[in-house]
Amino acid sequence: GAVVSQHPSWVICKSGTSVKIECRSLDFQATTMFWYRQFPKQSLMLMATSNEGSKATYEQGVEKDKFLINHASLTLSTLTVTSAHPEDSSFYICSAGGTSGRSSYEQYFGPGTRLTVT
Amino acid sequence: AQSVSQHNHHVILSEAASLELGCNYSYGGTVNLFWYVQYPGQHLQLLLKYFSGDPLVKGIKGFEAEFIKSKFSFNLRKPSVQWSDTAEYFCAVIRIVISNFGNEKLTFGTGTRLTIIP
Repeated sequence: GAVVSQHPSWVICKSGTSVKIECRSLDFQATTMFWYRQFPKQSLMLMATSNEGSKATYEQGVEKDKFLINHASLTLSTLTVTSAHPEDSSFYICSAGGTSGRSSYEQYFGPGTRLTVT
Repeated sequence: AQSVSQHNHHVILSEAASLELGCNYSYGGTVNLFWYVQYPGQHLQLLLKYFSGDPLVKGIKGFEAEFIKSKFSFNLRKPSVQWSDTAEYFCAVIRIVISNFGNEKLTFGTGTRLTIIP
């Protein structure tokens, strides 16, 4: 149980275009989903926390208008990188946690999406 | 701000050697503690976690960790490593704040790369 998927696993896009990454909890309902960014050989940096049906909470320094997050259902959250630039190239990882009425102490991670902007 | 420190950047061991990876955190309140592993090309997997109770927790694949509250530490150990343990290891902490129930955020350490030589 507690499987989280991400799609696509790998994407290349041209500078200036937008890319959407999906994160799904396959066998449980997640009230909270998290989006992380991981640079090569570095740790995961939390970008934002999204709760189903409400606006995402972004970490300091993360541009809300550039990284659009939508958490429309208890099993799906999307991250859209708008007007992508080469510096947005990174590994994006989502995690899901917290079924209804429970804390998000335990997070289950997706396999990640590698974004390369040319 | 809360921080998590992993002092060992890269550890190289021979098979059958004993392992201890350090993890220290800065938050003085109630915390939940985790160790995650990321095998090459794979997603993050939970090795073990500490919520409360016995400070010595056992996880998967023969790993264990000890929570020492007075030292703000949660070191990971394994008595005899195998080549297949080659991976990146991340310590992570959630600070428990009742008012933020359901939106707890994981703070990750910078990671320790473990290389096991056959």
